[in-house]
Amino acid sequence: DAGVIQSPRHEVTEMGQEVTLRCKPISGHNSLFWYRQTMMRGLELLIYFNNNVPIDDSGMPEDRFSAKMPNASFSTLKIQPSEPRDSAVYFCASSLSLMDGPGYGYTFGSGTRLTVV
Amino acid sequence: ELKVEQNPLFLSMQEGKNYTIYCNYSTTSDRLYWYRQDPGKSLESLFVLLSNGAVKQEGRLMASLDTKARLSTLHITAAVHDLSATYFCAVDEKTSYDKVIFGPGTSLSVIP
Repeated sequence: DAGVIQSPRHEVTEMGQEVTLRCKPISGHNSLFWYRQTMMRGLELLIYFNNNVPIDDSGMPEDRFSAKMPNASFSTLKIQPSEPRDSAVYFCASSLSLMDGPGYGYTFGSGTRLTVV
Repeated sequence: ELKVEQNPLFLSMQEGKNYTIYCNYSTTSDRLYWYRQDPGKSLESLFVLLSNGAVKQEGRLMASLDTKARLSTLHITAAVHDLSATYFCAVDEKTSYDKVIFGPGTSLSVIP
């Protein structure tokens, strides 16, 4: 398995533009998580899905952020409009949920480094 | 609400020395994970601790879990420079969906 695949690896955009980050989880994993990492705030859970259904989006900072998981092999995180304070590394992670397995933790993607200028 | 603390947050140690990183959490849980992150890289799973008293070892790192004390330790034996990284513990929130709460991370620097 190629692991969790995120794209793009780097994104530089101007304030006000729409940004879409993409994630392909590991085949067979049924939980998917979006995290944001900054020096100031550490790792923040934004939203997570189970069996393609959003379970908890309480970490989404504001309405400018939205996430979808249209099928088991693809998820997107969209920021519209983007702001400089959104600059961070965004990680996607997937796992086999505890309901379906013993729980071996997450496998993280390589991350997307977003810079909003 | 589950809170996870780590200490120290920053650790500078000499090669060859031993040290322990501590992870405390605030509510009952019996599953805990340790991750490593190298600068500019993603997080890599190190250990999965699934029950009270669990102990796992890999090379110079050993992790343990005491669910009664709500404490996990990551012990480093005879540190080498390659262990320099940030180490995160993450505690299962005991929902049905495998959600964990991450600690703030311990930044370890091993000096020759």
